Amino acid sequence: NAGVTQTPKFRVLKTGQSMTLLCAQDMNHEYMYWYRQDPGMGLRLIHYSVGEGTTAKGEAPDGYNVSRLKKQNFLLGLESAAPSQTSVYFCASSYDRATYEQYFGPGTRLTVT
Amino acid sequence: KQEVTQIPAALSVPEGENLVLNCSFTDSAIYNLQWFRQDPGKGLTSLLLIQSSQREQTSGRLNASLDKSSGRSTLYIAASQPGDSATYLCATESYSNYQLIWGAGTKLIIKP
Repeated sequence: NAGVTQTPKFRVLKTGQSMTLLCAQDMNHEYMYWYRQDPGMGLRLIHYSVGEGTTAKGEAPDGYNVSRLKKQNFLLGLESAAPSQTSVYFCASSYDRATYEQYFGPGTRLTVT
Repeated sequence: KQEVTQIPAALSVPEGENLVLNCSFTDSAIYNLQWFRQDPGKGLTSLLLIQSSQREQTSGRLNASLDKSSGRSTLYIAASQPGDSATYLCATESYSNYQLIWGAGTKLIIKP
């Protein structure tokens, strides 16, 4: 099993450009999450999904959109990138909510200039 | 609003020592508390998950405890090794939503 994979690993965008980050998991997990991690801070949940076709906002959703068209994939979109979105983005998945641990991808380092 | 704090932000100890990492939270109505490890430039690895009805969990040299009434959790690492060097993060999940609220982490360095 590959676990949770993320593409790309690194990306540099100019302000106003758009991009999509792809997260894929092969563990048949229902729940998937997108987080961002900024220096010296804990992770913040951007959006999450409790199953195929569902999405919900986390604590930091502004400037991002997501889609979960297939159970194994969770896409994070930036429509108009801003320097404040410079961060490391992590995708995670879990089988269930409370009793199962979250498995994380390796992260995507995004810089917006 | 839940707030999770980890003190100290960094800790350096000699190899072989037993050590304790601390995590405190402001809202005791948690669903679970999890401890994660993060290596530089890499993703997070789940270490231990303690459900609200439990008081501790153990995995190898790691033991995590949970005291909801005082809003505290500790991660005990026995006989520390240089390979334990990493950032350790704790996170809590509340009953009201699916969100994990994270501490900023403790950066641990084990000196050979």
